[in-house]
Amino acid sequence: AQKVTQAQTEISVVEKEDVTLDCVYETRDTTYYLFWYKQPPSGELVFLIRRNSFDEQNEISGRYSWNFQKSTSSFNFTITASQVVDSAVYFCALSERNTGNQFYFGTGTSLTVIP
Amino acid sequence: NAGVTQTPKFQVLKTGQSMTLQCAQDMNHEYMSWYRQDPGMGLRLIHYSVGAGITDQGEVPNGYNVSRSTTEDFPLRLLSAAPSQTSVYFCASSYARAYEQYFGPGTRLTVT
Repeated sequence: AQKVTQAQTEISVVEKEDVTLDCVYETRDTTYYLFWYKQPPSGELVFLIRRNSFDEQNEISGRYSWNFQKSTSSFNFTITASQVVDSAVYFCALSERNTGNQFYFGTGTSLTVIP
Repeated sequence: NAGVTQTPKFQVLKTGQSMTLQCAQDMNHEYMSWYRQDPGMGLRLIHYSVGAGITDQGEVPNGYNVSRSTTEDFPLRLLSAAPSQTSVYFCASSYARAYEQYFGPGTRLTVT
C-alpha cells in the first residue's frame, strides 16, 4: 500500500494564482516526520520543509505555507501568488520511527505555472 | 563545502556489465542513502546506511550492493546490469535518521 499519496499528477495555473498541492499519508506510528521537496526542471532535489508528528502548527515561509492535519492524515502545501520559477515537481515524503526512519516518497505533483 | 557529490552524471551500460556509482558527502553526516527515480513512481529507497560499517536494504535492493567503509563515501554497485535498472539514481545524506536529506545531482543510467 502506498504510504504517501499525491493524487494530483499534474497541475497548471496562471501566474499569480494560488495553488495547493495535496499530500495524504498513511502510518500507524505515533512518531513520524513529513517532508516536502522540490525538483525543478534542472533535476536536483531541494528540501523545503520538515515537520514532526507532534507539531501540528501550520508554517508559512514567504509565499509558501503548509497545513498539517493529523485528523485527515494530510500535509498540504500552498503556494501563494505563484511564479514561473515555481514550476517543478513537488514530492511529499514520510519517515516513520517504526520502520527505521526510512523515507517513503509520494509519486510527485508536476506544477506548471503559465506566464 | 561541496555537499553531496555523485559521479558519473551519465552512464550507458550493456546488459550484464557491472559498475559502481560513486557518492561522497563532506558534511560529516551519519545517514546516507541511495534512491532510484522512475517516471510516475517517485523515489524509491534502494539501500541506506546509518554509519560507517552499517548498511541495510530499502524498498528495492535486488541487483544492487553497497558498502560504507568511511563516513564520507557510500558507493552503489550494480552487479550485472539489466534494462530494468535504467533510471536516475540519487544519493542523499542527513545528519541522522528522520532528518531532512540532502541530495546529490543524480546519475542518469541507461542499460541497453
